[in-house]
Amino acid sequence: AQKITQTQPGMFVQEKEAVTLDCTYDTSDPSYGLFWYKQPSSGEMIFLIYQGSYDQQNATEGRYSLNFQKARKSANLVISASQLGDSAMYFCAMREGGGGSQGNLIFGKGTKLSVKP
Amino acid sequence: NAGVTQTPKFQVLKTGQSMTLQCAQDMNHEYMSWYRQDPGMGLRLIHYSVGAGITDQGEVPNGYNVSRSTTEDFPLRLLSAAPSQTSVYFCASSYSLAGGPGEQYFGPGTRLTVT
Repeated sequence: AQKITQTQPGMFVQEKEAVTLDCTYDTSDPSYGLFWYKQPSSGEMIFLIYQGSYDQQNATEGRYSLNFQKARKSANLVISASQLGDSAMYFCAMREGGGGSQGNLIFGKGTKLSVKP
Repeated sequence: NAGVTQTPKFQVLKTGQSMTLQCAQDMNHEYMSWYRQDPGMGLRLIHYSVGAGITDQGEVPNGYNVSRSTTEDFPLRLLSAAPSQTSVYFCASSYSLAGGPGEQYFGPGTRLTVT
């Protein structure tokens, strides 16, 4: 079974509108972290936002916020006031537990966001 | 800081050839890893290291070797290239901090084509 599921292969949003990118995860580990990365057409991976499983509040970083619903195992990325430069692939990822493999990320297959002028 | 650097940026190999993809970081990160990215597959972990002298396999290790003789460097070796190894390869590093964000910093990637 997939541990990270992104059900939207592609999405369109009008410039200046908000958009939500979906991510659901599957883990039995009580300690985990959830990440979102952006990959523009130039190919680099850019870290956007992090949510820890024990964090009480939803993470926010500028125009990015993470809608964390622990019981539903979802970690949706919300981008407010979309800009043309937001057009990119977006990947949700999870890191489980600690110990020697604590750095390992499990990635979803990504969502391609296109912002229309 | 240069961050995470990878060389080469592009490479074309013939089936059966071997080569080493270089990765270096100057952030004194303990944790380093290699991922491959294929269309529609996201990123998949090949090998990782939690410190100098310690390496382990990820999800797709077959056909690849790694070593970690220093904190800074983590080369990935393709032993006998196959067309199935055509992909974009990313190296990443992070602090190993349990409970912290420990976000991974990615290199710019190496685009490898095996003919």
